[in-house]
Amino acid sequence: EAQVTQNPRYLITVTGKKLTVTCSQNMNHEYMSWYRQDPGLGLRQIYYSMNVEVTDKGDVPEGYKVSRKEKRNFPLILESPSPNQTSLYFCASSLDNRRRMNTEAFFGQGTRLTVV
Amino acid sequence: AQSVTQLGSHVSVSEGALVLLRCNYSSSVPPYLFWYVQYPNQGLQLLLKYTTGATLVKGINGFEAEFKKSETSFHLTKPSAHMSDAAEYFCAVSLFFGNEKLTFGTGTRLTIIP
Repeated sequence: EAQVTQNPRYLITVTGKKLTVTCSQNMNHEYMSWYRQDPGLGLRQIYYSMNVEVTDKGDVPEGYKVSRKEKRNFPLILESPSPNQTSLYFCASSLDNRRRMNTEAFFGQGTRLTVV
Repeated sequence: AQSVTQLGSHVSVSEGALVLLRCNYSSSVPPYLFWYVQYPNQGLQLLLKYTTGATLVKGINGFEAEFKKSETSFHLTKPSAHMSDAAEYFCAVSLFFGNEKLTFGTGTRLTIIP
């Protein structure tokens, strides 16, 4: 089954304690990205990756890091989490649309992070 | 830069009534437009998309949307609401060939009244 898998689904942590949210896709997609969803703000892109070893900032990258060492995985790293990073996070993947038209983004189930 | 405005953060309709969720966009180039649905505790699922061609787009679950360039709108409609349509709906725009970078609206929560 084609899917994007995020782990964990729920996480409560303390300020300053490094954490990683994993994201894996089994569709051989080139493009992956991370979004955060906050009430009244919709989804905002944090980071994205066009392919292995190619990453770039989205709209709200402060306080986050990513890496893309393998095509299927795109972890989101919070090196020193703060309460303002409490949010619902989504990973998404899609084919590289410069080569294929009419593709769609597939989203993971989400990770609800609380930083206290 | 592109942006999306969804009018109405909450919309309530009676079961069997017309559903109309509004979306307006701004873009410097012809956009690609999408509607996603989010059910409670789930990720986002694509309802429909407009890239090129026919401006009336049909999606899953009986939803459709019409791209109106002159009005910069992409409103989502369904003729007859069902209880299972209760969810949050997001309009999104992309300037690339597809949705490598999606800019989302703030969402509209749809409630269905029995």
